[in-house]
Amino acid sequence: EVQLVQSGAEVKKPGATVKISCKVSGYTFIDYYMHWVQQAPGKGLEWMGLVDPEDGETIYVEKFQGRVTITADTSTDTTYMELSDLRSEDTAVYYCARPSSSHNRDFDYWGQGTLVTVSS
Amino acid sequence: DIQMTQSPSSVSASVGDRVTITCRASQGIISWLAWYQQKPGKAPNLLIYAASSLQSGVPSRFRGSGSGTDFTLTISSLQPEDFATYYCQQTYGFPITFGQGTRLEIK
Repeated sequence: EVQLVQSGAEVKKPGATVKISCKVSGYTFIDYYMHWVQQAPGKGLEWMGLVDPEDGETIYVEKFQGRVTITADTSTDTTYMELSDLRSEDTAVYYCARPSSSHNRDFDYWGQGTLVTVSS
Repeated sequence: DIQMTQSPSSVSASVGDRVTITCRASQGIISWLAWYQQKPGKAPNLLIYAASSLQSGVPSRFRGSGSGTDFTLTISSLQPEDFATYYCQQTYGFPITFGQGTRLEIK
């Protein structure tokens, strides 16, 4: 059974950095990119970027460029999303999501979500 | 970036009704479109991929159609568990973009 299990909720102060993990099981980690999606409270879904666990290559959306780093650790089958210089508007639930096949971009498996609250 | 525009933003319907949600892309995306259902406090759930292919395990009352720039999600004979928010997503190119969502409420 494919599972994506994310780390727990975080509370951070403005200007801080948060790092969220997403540990996978039930499939071969390096066979699928891993994507990250942001959802602010009461808002829609916003794609942030992806990592190819096989070689660490990343693609980020311009909005988060320079503040987001997505990495993959093949020794633990875990991906990480680090967001720096946090602002109040970064308060959101962050999801990791696996595409339905190796080069598709629709997501058939999602993590449970991690709430990040940015507050002074 | 490809902009995805859904309509309506919200809709009220009753159990047994047929509902159609529309998604328009700002440029042609062939059939690279997915639909998701999201319930409060939960991750989105993939319903339709490649515009009209039903994801495994999704009831057949969900139907996707369209190509190019105009797409629809139709739910025939609404069930109580269908009341949720629905999102379209273009999977044609980067950055991946989603529609703003359509909230389906009980009338």
